[in-house]
Amino acid sequence: EVQLVESGGDLVQPGGSLKLSCAASGFTFSNHGMNWVRQAHGKGLEWVSYISATSGTTYYADAVKGRFTVSKDNAKNSLYLQMNSLGAEDTAVYYCARDGSSYYGMDVWGRGTTVTVSS
Amino acid sequence: EVVLTQSPGTLSLSPGERATLSCRASQRSSSSYLVWYQQKPGQAPRLLIYGASIRATGIPDRFSGSGSGTDFTLTISGLEPEDFAVYYCQQYGSSPFAFGGGTKVEIK
Repeated sequence: EVQLVESGGDLVQPGGSLKLSCAASGFTFSNHGMNWVRQAHGKGLEWVSYISATSGTTYYADAVKGRFTVSKDNAKNSLYLQMNSLGAEDTAVYYCARDGSSYYGMDVWGRGTTVTVSS
Repeated sequence: EVVLTQSPGTLSLSPGERATLSCRASQRSSSSYLVWYQQKPGQAPRLLIYGASIRATGIPDRFSGSGSGTDFTLTISGLEPEDFAVYYCQQYGSSPFAFGGGTKVEIK
């Protein structure tokens, strides 16, 4: 079964750091780019970051550029998001999502992990 | 940077009715890059349509996508109870891969 499972979400103080993980299974992870997408409570989807299949290309939303770093370990079938200088505006459910390798779109999603930034 | 505007914000319809959802891009975008997702409460989004009009695996044929340039449409030909949800469009061609604000399809 193709599956993505996020972890690492937590309550963190403003200005703090957190690292999210996404464990992939059931498919050849090294063949796919990956994304992070977040959703604040009661709000819409916000794309956060993309990394290509072999980590050669990364993109970030302006809201997180310079604070977040996406990485991918194909040997461990894992995706990561290092988040620094967190603020209340980063409070959200964070989803990892697989890039469809033969078309444009995110075809597999995890269930999400919750990040709360509060003092 | 492409900005996507979805309308209406909420669509109130009865089961069996036809739903027409709009997604307008701030600049011309290849239809190859236009994607639609469905999200139900408490669940992750699900890929519905890619390439503006191609149904993803397992998506019923009552869902159809169309459009080109700056105007794209998602149509649900006859609403089933499980179709009441929020729908998002996204452009996936160039960073940032922005989503539209979403259209909620609710039961009238």
